[in-house]
Amino acid sequence: QKEVEQDPGPLSVPEGAIVSLNCTYSNSAFQYFMWYRQYSRKGPELLMYTYSSGNKEDGRFTAQVDKSSKYISLFIRDSQPSDSATYLCAMRGETSGSRLTFGEGTQLTVNP
Amino acid sequence: ETGVTQTPRHLVMGMTNKKSLKCEQHLGHNAMYWYKQSAKKPLELMFVYSLEERVENNSVPSRFSPECPNSSHLFLHLHTLQPEDSALYLCASSHQEGREETQYFGPGTRLLVL
Repeated sequence: QKEVEQDPGPLSVPEGAIVSLNCTYSNSAFQYFMWYRQYSRKGPELLMYTYSSGNKEDGRFTAQVDKSSKYISLFIRDSQPSDSATYLCAMRGETSGSRLTFGEGTQLTVNP
Repeated sequence: ETGVTQTPRHLVMGMTNKKSLKCEQHLGHNAMYWYKQSAKKPLELMFVYSLEERVENNSVPSRFSPECPNSSHLFLHLHTLQPEDSALYLCASSHQEGREETQYFGPGTRLLVL
């Protein structure tokens, strides 16, 4: 079983739609949860960073963590064509220097 | 230059060639990483350097040889690669202190082995 499962998509939505991206994980030691966005031919860039369970909002983006279900989500409101990218979830344990474990990434296309 | 830079951005090499990938970070971080990114697979961690010491070697074949001469520079020396080594090679850096450590990535080197 993979430590982190992420639906690879591809996901195609019309502009203005609400997008939900999800990851599930099996390692209960994970405490820090991240979402990276990767545009074509670029490296991943950090989008959202959360600790333990709860929600975090940043503009049109909301990250949710449910540790009891081992499930994390990224919501994008009012999606724009510029949001078209691959979204990677990543997570790690408590201690500094612990390894980041990534999902496969979900490819999102927002159509004008 | 800011952030994490990588050169070259694209590389085509034959199986008998020797080449090197270079990474430089301008963030004052104390840890650097090499990852391999292949289609439809999660990022694979290859090597970790913390304070210029290699702290992790993730069962990577010896045809990949990392070098970290100082905390700002990281190299990946390539020798007698195989076609299945074709991938995007990403460098990242972080500051390993405290709980809120995040990794910042470079743009990657797209490698094709013929």
